[in-house]
Amino acid sequence: EPEVTQTPSHQVTQMGQEVILRCVPISNHLYFYWYRQILGQKVEFLVSFYNNEISEKSEIFDDQFSVERPDGSNFTLKIRSTKLEDSAMYFCASSEARGRRAISYEQYFGPGTRLTVT
Amino acid sequence: RKEVEQDPGPFNVPEGATVAFNCTYSNSASQSFFWYRQDCRKEPKLLMSVYSSGNEDGRFTAQLNRASQYISLLIRDSKLSDSATYLCVVNRPHASGGSYIPTFGRGTSLIVHP
Repeated sequence: EPEVTQTPSHQVTQMGQEVILRCVPISNHLYFYWYRQILGQKVEFLVSFYNNEISEKSEIFDDQFSVERPDGSNFTLKIRSTKLEDSAMYFCASSEARGRRAISYEQYFGPGTRLTVT
Repeated sequence: RKEVEQDPGPFNVPEGATVAFNCTYSNSASQSFFWYRQDCRKEPKLLMSVYSSGNEDGRFTAQLNRASQYISLLIRDSKLSDSATYLCVVNRPHASGGSYIPTFGRGTSLIVHP
């Protein structure tokens, strides 16, 4: 069964450093997402990406964040200058979608990257 | 009012019990509703979509009540393996009006004991 994969599974970084989290969405999916979940809290939407551009982003997704699809398979989240409060689990998800506004499709999540900022 | 609200639980039930969870949402223009389950420190896994007509998948039944703005999940004949946190997800309109934002509830914890 196809699945979303994410690397690394755990990333430890120092405050102020840049990190790149990587995801390989399911191959025939067209809509990609990043979420974060701070320990003990709810899953929070960061950004959605469709047709090589950001479709929507939340208030959390400020200038320190960026996303990219550098090739046909990877989807990355970059955090430019990490803060202590960026420590969280970051989930990538993908969905089969037809059209920019068609967000009614079910999302499939990767196993997550646990980011620890010290 | 929170955008998506769930009773955090925990719901502690014996094997074989029937248990129901509710989830309320604040934006009446929300589209597309889902239930996910999340095991401790794992990713959310899709359980089922929720349709206006209601839908069933084995022991699981989901219902949507648009007038009252809530969705429900019923689990019959609970198994030990059903122990998890159940997340309600609602796609609510983004402020820009361009699309929808997937919004998660905090989840309801279920513990099924022998």
